[in-house]
Amino acid sequence: DQQVKQNSPSLSVQEGRISILNCDYTNSMFDYFLWYKKYPAEGPTFLISISSIKDKNEDGRFTVFLNKSAKHLSLHIVPSQPGDSAVYFCAASAFYSGNTPLVFGKGTRLSVIA
Amino acid sequence: DAGVIQSPRHEVTEMGQEVTLRCKPISGHNSLFWYRQTMMRGLELLIYFNNNVPIDDSGMPEDRFSAKMPNASFSTLKIQPSEPRDSAVYFCASSRDRISGYTFGSGTRLTVV
Repeated sequence: DQQVKQNSPSLSVQEGRISILNCDYTNSMFDYFLWYKKYPAEGPTFLISISSIKDKNEDGRFTVFLNKSAKHLSLHIVPSQPGDSAVYFCAASAFYSGNTPLVFGKGTRLSVIA
Repeated sequence: DAGVIQSPRHEVTEMGQEVTLRCKPISGHNSLFWYRQTMMRGLELLIYFNNNVPIDDSGMPEDRFSAKMPNASFSTLKIQPSEPRDSAVYFCASSRDRISGYTFGSGTRLTVV
């Protein structure tokens, strides 16, 4: 049973446009969410996070939105650049309510076309 | 810091052979995690350690899998005997604490033929 779901295996976006990657979760105990980025032949690297007390967190071109009632979060990349082409993993943890390890989704492969 | 170091980067072995994957976490990180990445299941947690002690191994698929952390700077994941369905990329990650996030190694790509 997938507790963290990324229903789009892949996404293609034109350079300069907005990329929106979506993630849904089922465990209501999750209270801390992260996005990781992975290039081929490398391990995932931390990109941005958000705790459940917020509904938005921004870091440069990257913004994560959290909708707790819908159990949904999204990552917005504006503007998209060719170097953003990678696999993006959504991850969740019950950090404040049990300190559990991160649970990852299956990932979404983003291709930014020049 | 050199980051999380995994070895080997690639391993090709025959079915039935023993495979040992190695991980050196970042110095000062007290949590270590082993994940497996497959197309079907994405990144799934196999086992994790806090202060060298195994906390949760419920993700280990079968008794053929075992993991140890004899000290703060070294961990192994062993598969004995290996099977073709074990073919995947295995990642080790370490963390100072949960809110800092995890630092992943580059992974070991295992192919069992």
